Amino acid sequence: AQRVTQPEKLLSVFKGAPVELKCNYSYSGSPELFWYVQYSRQRLQLLLRHISRESIKGFTADLNKGETSFHLKKPFAQEEDSAMYYCALRPANAGGTSYGKLTFGQGTILTVHP
Amino acid sequence: NAGVTQTPKFRILKIGQSMTLQCTQDMNHNYMYWYRQDPGMGLKLIYYSVGAGITDKGEVPNGYNVSRSTTEDFPLRLELAAPSQTSVYFCASSYWDSTYGYTFGSGTRLTVV
Repeated sequence: AQRVTQPEKLLSVFKGAPVELKCNYSYSGSPELFWYVQYSRQRLQLLLRHISRESIKGFTADLNKGETSFHLKKPFAQEEDSAMYYCALRPANAGGTSYGKLTFGQGTILTVHP
Repeated sequence: NAGVTQTPKFRILKIGQSMTLQCTQDMNHNYMYWYRQDPGMGLKLIYYSVGAGITDKGEVPNGYNVSRSTTEDFPLRLELAAPSQTSVYFCASSYWDSTYGYTFGSGTRLTVV
């Protein structure tokens, strides 16, 4: 079974400071990792996927299979980045009905102070 | 383009009452999911469905039931509400390949008193 751990429930930084939200996973097979974000009074939405190697709203995340991590980083935090962030994992080649199911971490509430 | 629609947005139930949380999507997604969100616990999968007529248990199915008679609808039933079911419930949908992510509903905040 897979597991996703976000060790920080709360993270506070000041505007302009770098921010890193940690995500560690355990899974014996090949994983696909995602970051989802939930802004205040909005629904959960996909932020980025490791397979696309993209930068969204200045955020990047690199899958480190050696350390089984997928940390989310942004060099200069903005106040509008304040939100709940979830890391999620999906088995890449599970097959059958396991394919598609995401396992979420506990979430990290990021607060960016002015 | 509505996406995933959940109703109601808020509900207060008394212990032992029953209710159905509605979820409808208009994207022709095969897969649909119900999660509950508890503070500090993240999102836990309750039930999921890979298509009409096919459902399966997730991580925390006890106290809940689902059905999937159409591609669009995936209602979640609480038969005998308990305080432990106080939570925020999210419905989501995706294609069979969720590489492009889930589409989430806006959530239902349920309080059982």
